[in-house]
Amino acid sequence: AQTVTQSQPEMSVQEAETVTLSCTYDTSESNYYLFWYKQPPSRQMILVIRQEAYKQQNATENRFSVNFQKAAKSFSLKISDSQLGDTAMYFCAFLGYKLTFGKGTLLTVNP
Amino acid sequence: DGGITQSPKYLFRKEGQNVTLSCEQNLNHDAMYWYRQDPGQGLRLIYYSQIVNDFQKGDIAEGYSVSREKKESFPLTVTSAQKNPTAFYLCASTPGAGTYEQYFGPGTRLTVT
Repeated sequence: AQTVTQSQPEMSVQEAETVTLSCTYDTSESNYYLFWYKQPPSRQMILVIRQEAYKQQNATENRFSVNFQKAAKSFSLKISDSQLGDTAMYFCAFLGYKLTFGKGTLLTVNP
Repeated sequence: DGGITQSPKYLFRKEGQNVTLSCEQNLNHDAMYWYRQDPGQGLRLIYYSQIVNDFQKGDIAEGYSVSREKKESFPLTVTSAQKNPTAFYLCASTPGAGTYEQYFGPGTRLTVT
């Protein structure tokens, strides 16, 4: 079975600061993909970043980057220069034989 | 513009009634999915379909039914057998099963009283 754990139900950060959201997963598969999705108050799910397990290089998308530690089964998301529009629920997701989501972290960016 | 549409955004039903949620995509994607989202639960897979006229149960299929008669459409019926139907329902699609990230619709909030 594959599981995804997000240990921080809620976090807050000041505008322009950096914040890191944690995600760990458990699987016996060797080939898989990891994602971070953002769900703002509109509730539209938006893909933030994607990481292929076979790539050692950490994925980066503008202010968003990941720290992928395959041996530790850890996949954290770092948001730099936080903006008010980053306020959202963030879900970590694992794609092996199926897509499994964590329970989410509610991030609030304060002015 | 290509995308996924779900209608309506809000749906209200009386207990004991079946209700069908619409999901349409014009992305030419093969695979489509239905998720249920409850507070503190993340997203849970209800049903998925990798090809027309075929679908499989997800983790919480009891009380739900689907059909996939057309590639672009994957409606979900919430039956009266579903014990706690009030939730936010999300439809998603991918070009094919396997390695692709999922594209999501805007969701439907179903309230059953």
